Amino acid sequence: SAVISQKPSRDICQRGTSLTIQCQVDSQVTMMFWYRQQPGQSLTLIATANQGSEATYESGFVIDKFPISRPNLTFSTLTVSNMSPEDSSIYLCSVDRGGGYTFGSGTRLTVV
Amino acid sequence: AQKVTQAQTEISVVEKEDVTLDCVYETRDTTYYLFWYKQPPSGELVFLIRRNSFDEQNEISGRYSWNFQKSTSSFNFTITASQVVDSAVYFCALSVSAGGTSYGKLTFGQGTILTVHP
Repeated sequence: SAVISQKPSRDICQRGTSLTIQCQVDSQVTMMFWYRQQPGQSLTLIATANQGSEATYESGFVIDKFPISRPNLTFSTLTVSNMSPEDSSIYLCSVDRGGGYTFGSGTRLTVV
Repeated sequence: AQKVTQAQTEISVVEKEDVTLDCVYETRDTTYYLFWYKQPPSGELVFLIRRNSFDEQNEISGRYSWNFQKSTSSFNFTITASQVVDSAVYFCALSVSAGGTSYGKLTFGQGTILTVHP
């Protein structure tokens, strides 16, 4: 299965600022997925990122708030913009390759 | 639309007990995939199993076993002789084929918190 390097692993940010999360995969993949896990909750898909095209956002998530870049087949970034305490969550990237989905180790974000 | 229900929010057992985590799913697609993931306190998601809709054979992997029943839309997970290290949140998930080799996006259940006491 693919190996994903995700960073930062955690951060504490001031409200109103933005944080960019990076995911690097050790091999080329067509689609990368970004999930949010709010405290004590399940995972919710934010968007699907394909290389060379606009990301596809799920209901309730918008590009202005969660802009995504996918410059090549091994890398993607998710930015959480204009943060508020409600954005405090774990953010995870995932790829679909081989036997199933592999997830990054997650970014634990706290907004104060 | 897809839906996954894990009715058990929390389960607490004593070490060496067997425990079953329930998962019920809903989908109108005939080709779909079911998954179980483990999320230990460190937060990472650990892949446990993938099963496609055409394969109803039960599977055993060490102390883990899975029972897939299409008739009841269930994909239950049993841990035999539980250990303290099994303490984690367990998620059941569903995806439908997005074409080609892609499994499509995952829909997760709410998760079951398993605590195994010494």
